[in-house]
Formats: sequence, structure tokens, C-alpha cells
Amino acid sequence: RKEVEQDPGPFNVPEGATVAFNCTYSNSASQSFFWYRQDCRKEPKLLMSVYSSGNEDGRFTAQLNRASQYISLLIRDSKLSDSATYLCVVNTIRGGADGLTFGKGTHLIIQP
Amino acid sequence: GAVVSQHPSWVICKSGTSVKIECRSLDFQATTMFWYRQFPKQSLMLMATSNEGSKATYEQGVEKDKFLINHASLTLSTLTVTSAHPEDSSFYICSARDLIAGAYNEQFFGPGTRLTVL
Repeated sequence: RKEVEQDPGPFNVPEGATVAFNCTYSNSASQSFFWYRQDCRKEPKLLMSVYSSGNEDGRFTAQLNRASQYISLLIRDSKLSDSATYLCVVNTIRGGADGLTFGKGTHLIIQP
Repeated sequence: GAVVSQHPSWVICKSGTSVKIECRSLDFQATTMFWYRQFPKQSLMLMATSNEGSKATYEQGVEKDKFLINHASLTLSTLTVTSAHPEDSSFYICSARDLIAGAYNEQFFGPGTRLTVL
């Protein structure tokens, strides 16, 4: 089982729609969770951290379910500029060192 | 704040040559820098973790003699791909973590270096 699994998509949704995608992680010792956004041929950029209580940042809402080991991202009122690949990222401490593990990403295409 | 630069942005080289990539934290000190590699349509894969003043820790399957990492200062880490071959062609991305890490351990990513080996 992969450490971080995401549906690669692509998800094609019309502008203004609400879209959600999930990811699952296998290591129950994972401590921190993030959603990153990566545009084509660019570096990933932090979109938001994911807190246990759930958190919202403008049109974006992230949820964490530790019991089921999944993380979700909801985008409301989607814009054309939201088209990108969204990476689910988990931070785990192993052997005294910590590191980020990236999912393959979910490709989102917002259509006019 | 929290800007990380990488140079070069892209490089094309012949098989057998060595290529050095620089990663700099411009406005903060980074005790730890990370080197990732991303092949097309694949996820970022951690290659190694570099701590200032000490040897890098390589992930399983990454040859330390082929991918030489130096982290001589709190603002600079270098990755040298030695005797590069076409299968080393990839997008190499570094990230840096602030000296005073926040609770969520944010890493700041450089813009990446696209390496093409002919």
C-alpha cells in the first residue's frame, strides 16, 4: 500500500462549481498534514495545513479524519485559476528524522 | 519572506558529465534542506535530507556516490549529479526548513531545476 494515495483524476468541473477530493495515508504515526498546489512544470506551493478540527481558508476547506486516516480538500466557487494539481502531503517522524511524503496529486481542470 | 532559490533553472548536458545544482534560502537560515526528484506524472520523491555541517541522509535506493550533497552553510546546499545518464533526466526540487520550525514543519520549496541528459 502506498504511503499517500490520491485519485489522480483529472477532475473536470465547470467554473463556479464545488469540488472535493480526498487522500488516504497509511502511516498512523503521521503527525502533520498539508495540501500543496503544483502548477505544470513548477514547484509545489503550500495551499494550507490541515488541522484535526478542520480548517477553512477562503474558498478552501480541509478536513482530517485520523481514525480513518484520510484528508479532504473542498473548493467552493471554483475559479479558472484553481486549475492545478493538488498534492496531499504527510509529515512523519521516522527514526528521529521527519520528512514529507507526497501523494501523486489530483489533477483539477476548471472549465469556463 | 521564506524564499528559496535554485540555480540553474534548467540544464541540458551530455551523458557522462557532472551537473551541480544550487539551493539557497534567501531570507532565512535553514538547518535542514531536502532534495526531491519528480519524474513526469509522478509524485515528488525525497532523495536525501541535508543538515548543515553534517553528512546527508539518503533515502533507500538513492546512490550517495552518484548524488553528492553538500550543505556547508545555513543558506546553501548543493546537489551534484555525477556522471549523469539519460535516466537521471528529471525535475530536481530542493526545499528548506526555517531554523525556527513552526508546529507544522513547513518547508519552503525552490523553483526546481529541470535536468535533461542527452
